[in-house]
Amino acid sequence: KAGVTQTPRYLIKTRGQQVTLSCSPISGHRSVSWYQQTPGQGLQFLFEYFSETQRNKGNFPGRFSGRQFSNSRSEMNVSTLELGDSALYLCASRPIQGEQETQYFGPGTRLLVL
Amino acid sequence: AQSVAQPEDQVNVAEGNPLTVKCTYSVSGNPYLFWYVQYPNRGLQFLLKYITGDNLVKGSYGFEAEFNKSQTSFHLKKPSALVSDSALYFCAVRDYMDMGRRALTFGSGTRLQVQP
Repeated sequence: KAGVTQTPRYLIKTRGQQVTLSCSPISGHRSVSWYQQTPGQGLQFLFEYFSETQRNKGNFPGRFSGRQFSNSRSEMNVSTLELGDSALYLCASRPIQGEQETQYFGPGTRLLVL
Repeated sequence: AQSVAQPEDQVNVAEGNPLTVKCTYSVSGNPYLFWYVQYPNRGLQFLLKYITGDNLVKGSYGFEAEFNKSQTSFHLKKPSALVSDSALYFCAVRDYMDMGRRALTFGSGTRLQVQP
């Protein structure tokens, strides 16, 4: 099976702009979670979606949002970018039956905000 | 609230020697525990997990981890280190009682350096 794919892999934006990141889960996985990784804060949970509904949300401002489509693909959006949003954004997918506890991560999108 | 501690920022070991990367956790109920590895410019790669059952869990690439409930620890081990094991290792936990929230809480990571 193909793994989790994320596009784009690298992105440079300026403060105040907005950005949309995309994630395609492993085939058959219906849950998608997003995490932010920074040197200072480490890995932090952003949100989880399945069945096109946000199920859980981490402690991030409303500028961070996401959605999931009927094919389980997910996008996350960050509006009004700040310098501190520079990070590696990781998407993870998991099945919602069977081995549902294991999350499988994509390669990430590295966002640089100038 | 759940939390994970990885007390060592870096572990250095010679190739062929055994390695241990330490992890302790705190949860309200019983834990689901995971180890992931991250290579430069890559995402996280799943190594192994403890859900229930035997305290010694075997995973990918010869890694294993031992769940110790009394010490709230889940240390990652490998009998013989390889240079290619050099990477960043993350321990993660989820409280199984918190069924509405499957978010993982990660430790700060331990950089493993295996010298030839």
